[in-house]
Amino acid sequence: VQLVESGGGLVQPGGSLRLSCAASGFMFWDYDMTWVRQAPGRGLEWVSTITNGNTGGTAFFADSVKGRFSVSRDNSENTLDLQMDSLRVEDTAIYYCAKDRKGAHYTSDWGQGTPVTVSS
Amino acid sequence: DIQMTQSPSTLSASVGDRVTITCRASQSLNTWLAWYQQKPGKAPKLLVFEASTLETGVPSRFSGSGSGTEFTLTISSLQPDDFATYYCQQYKSYRTFGQGTKVEIK
Repeated sequence: VQLVESGGGLVQPGGSLRLSCAASGFMFWDYDMTWVRQAPGRGLEWVSTITNGNTGGTAFFADSVKGRFSVSRDNSENTLDLQMDSLRVEDTAIYYCAKDRKGAHYTSDWGQGTPVTVSS
Repeated sequence: DIQMTQSPSTLSASVGDRVTITCRASQSLNTWLAWYQQKPGKAPKLLVFEASTLETGVPSRFSGSGSGTEFTLTISSLQPDDFATYYCQQYKSYRTFGQGTKVEIK
């Protein structure tokens, strides 16, 4: 399993950023995929999960990002995207792409993370 | 929303010590709880799922127990590689992590 995030960087408050995750080494279509973030010096925070291709790719979001973030997956390209709009200073974090255990709701594999800094 | 409370926040221990970390949920999880280990600058690593099932490849000195609202992660004999931060996570309703327990060298 390999998960490689990209797209992180510096953005001003109110701006947008799109993160991508390239997945390989497993049947991407079959697995729910999750984004988790970690603010500097803080703990882990679940951000979003999108269900697998068999269940229609339904997305779920933490209250802290609902209405501002969206998630999508391309099962033909094995990629997962996180579109982040109306960014706030408190969205500053390392964003991890993660693969859920098949048929379960916990993450079993993680990418190395991509940093997002929201600052003026 | 389900809230998760871990204790202690920091734990000082020596190699060979038995270490126990507690995680309490604001409502019953049955056994829908996982434990992760995270080292500085690294992604988390899954240790335990369904409260007590050890992930493949995780040393047997790690064990998880509990059900309902109270759970524990135990390291039977702390090894140098175990100094890290540990997180519980519920997955009964969406996902919520505990705030973490840092295990540091005494």
